[in-house]
Amino acid sequence: DTAVSQTPKYLVTQMGNDKSIKCEQNLGHDTMYWYKQDSKKFLKIMFSYNNKELIINETVPNRFSPKSPDKAHLNLHINSLELGDSAVYFCASSRRGSANTGELFFGEGSRLTVL
Amino acid sequence: QQPVQSPQAVILREGEDAVINCSSSKALYSVHWYRQKHGEAPVFLMILLKGGEQKGHDKISASFNEKKQQSSLYLTASQLSYSGTYFCGTLEYGNKLVFGAGTILRVKS
Repeated sequence: DTAVSQTPKYLVTQMGNDKSIKCEQNLGHDTMYWYKQDSKKFLKIMFSYNNKELIINETVPNRFSPKSPDKAHLNLHINSLELGDSAVYFCASSRRGSANTGELFFGEGSRLTVL
Repeated sequence: QQPVQSPQAVILREGEDAVINCSSSKALYSVHWYRQKHGEAPVFLMILLKGGEQKGHDKISASFNEKKQQSSLYLTASQLSYSGTYFCGTLEYGNKLVFGAGTILRVKS
């Protein structure tokens, strides 16, 4: 049973389109994250939610909008896709406050290709 | 500000040792190490806390020098399965884990 699952695993779309990625965790964690990994493998945090509350909101274009309907789910919606949005998007979760003492559990990633 | 990792890449033969370094310009309270194999998600290796002991994970161990704001990951008698990209992460305000650019490790037979 997958701990952190993301769908879809692959998206190929045209510039200007809108797309969503969904994430679910069954670990009972309170905190969830979105990270973006670009072609150079750089892993950059985008957002973090703690029990449905937005905690971290990095300098990400407002075309990116996260939504957490409950603490087990964190979705990412991207409007007006641009070429530079092509990347692998990783969802992760952790116990509340455990980024300081424990680990992040990552999903398998969603590879977005914008043509 | 992201931590700085060195080297950027290293190639080893099976059985050889390697050291990956991570440093920060900010005071560190913890350093996190992850490994990402090609096409997979990053996986947690270990965390080192300020004032804590050196940690180990099989033949992979790490140290944390708080005064120098540095951590080093030691891979001993490397195996093919050690190949991947190693990331160190440091914690910033708001429980934000910021990763370094990664070190690509390739172990050849």
